[in-house]
Amino acid sequence: DSGVTQTPKHLITATGQRVTLRCSPRSGDLSVYWYQQSLDQGLQFLIQYYNGEERAKGNILERFSAQQFPDLHSELNLSSLELGDSALYFCASSVVVGELFFGEGSRLTVL
Amino acid sequence: AQSVTQPDIHITVSEGASLELRCNYSYGATPYLFWYVQSPGQGLQLLLKYFSGDTLVQGIKGFEAEFKRSQSSFNLRKPSVHWSDAAEYFCAVGPEGTYKYIFGTGTRLKVLA
Repeated sequence: DSGVTQTPKHLITATGQRVTLRCSPRSGDLSVYWYQQSLDQGLQFLIQYYNGEERAKGNILERFSAQQFPDLHSELNLSSLELGDSALYFCASSVVVGELFFGEGSRLTVL
Repeated sequence: AQSVTQPDIHITVSEGASLELRCNYSYGATPYLFWYVQSPGQGLQLLLKYFSGDTLVQGIKGFEAEFKRSQSSFNLRKPSVHWSDAAEYFCAVGPEGTYKYIFGTGTRLKVLA
């Protein structure tokens, strides 16, 4: 158990819909990262927050947004969903600079 | 731009055989280097990390990795593979001073009984 909690574990929705994925980092970790893992793209960095502020941005689509709340949990919002958004979405947390601790992921299926 | 290359997409070894998974990185300074393992349906678990110091690092589950600056490599090794090691292995680099971690495309390990 990494200490990082992600919900929901599985989500099935239709194209055009909007979903929210939630992540609770390890106790004491201020940094939260979001990654997308798909068969054809591998593990892609989406975005990183540190203590509520956006710190780094990767290949995140404009239809996607994220935020980190004062209690340090984070949410990834995916809107206008397309079939190609089907993937595993991982959250990870870390101390200021160090290894990442990953949650078990949220598997999104868009039909 | 920083990058991580894992040249082997799939590797198959027999149980008890030795294993080496390759990882090459591209970065101007000394990065932080990591190996993660992902079992099917699971998240990524850290096997080992290199920040500085001794270039041979020991990790969990009997794995080790060696940082070679001259070759920009951080290869993962295990002297005797167990069937439970079958999984996907990811090399990652986390450049010092930034917070962006780059992952390789992974190497899927199959272990023959």
